Amino acid sequence: QSALTQPPSASGSPGQSVTISCTGTSSDVGGYNYVSWYQQHPGKAPKLMIYEVSKRPSGVPDRFSGSKSGNTASLTVSGLQAADEADYYCSSYAGSNNVIFGGGTILTVL
Amino acid sequence: QVHLVESGGGEVQPGRSLRLSCADSGFTFGTYGMHWVRQAPGKGLEWVAVIWYHGSNENYADFVRGRFTISRDTSKKTLYLQMNSLRVEDTAVYYCAREGGQMSHMDVWGKGTTVIVSS
Repeated sequence: QSALTQPPSASGSPGQSVTISCTGTSSDVGGYNYVSWYQQHPGKAPKLMIYEVSKRPSGVPDRFSGSKSGNTASLTVSGLQAADEADYYCSSYAGSNNVIFGGGTILTVL
Repeated sequence: QVHLVESGGGEVQPGRSLRLSCADSGFTFGTYGMHWVRQAPGKGLEWVAVIWYHGSNENYADFVRGRFTISRDTSKKTLYLQMNSLRVEDTAVYYCAREGGQMSHMDVWGKGTTVIVSS
């Protein structure tokens, strides 16, 4: 199964908003509301930021939001801060007890 | 405070075996599914395997199926990944992660253990 498609990079200035897309198929992203997003700083473990398309775990700022349309999910980071600079990965349930990740997006805060 | 700690990584030759462990503290281990996820140097995250909370159901990514085995010991609150017939391309940081729903997301992650397969 191929990885979900994410743009390799995204960027924005402090205070701006940036949206990262995650494109799959009707067998994964489009077929289930089980898309999640993870933030990973260099040398650190991933951290859950969004689950089930648009839900935020306790402690994650509401500047982070998620959505989905068809086979494409999106993560929006509003009010960009320097601390948001990291790699972001989407993930989706892909049926038959399989999980698939996106290739990752490097977010740069200019 | 939920805490996962991986161990067992190291450097091995191709074709050899290694067993990773993931010890849990702070949550009811036996009531959650658990995953292994890996990340090759400079690459993205790759899902490896999952085991349900009851331990009787598991699944694997195609690239490890038949070589890796995921298991758990609830009494020891420990998750395992037995890796056989290791290949150079299995070189990665291996993370264990807790399933937060019904295969919907991974809400708690360990810090990872490094596996290097090299001749």
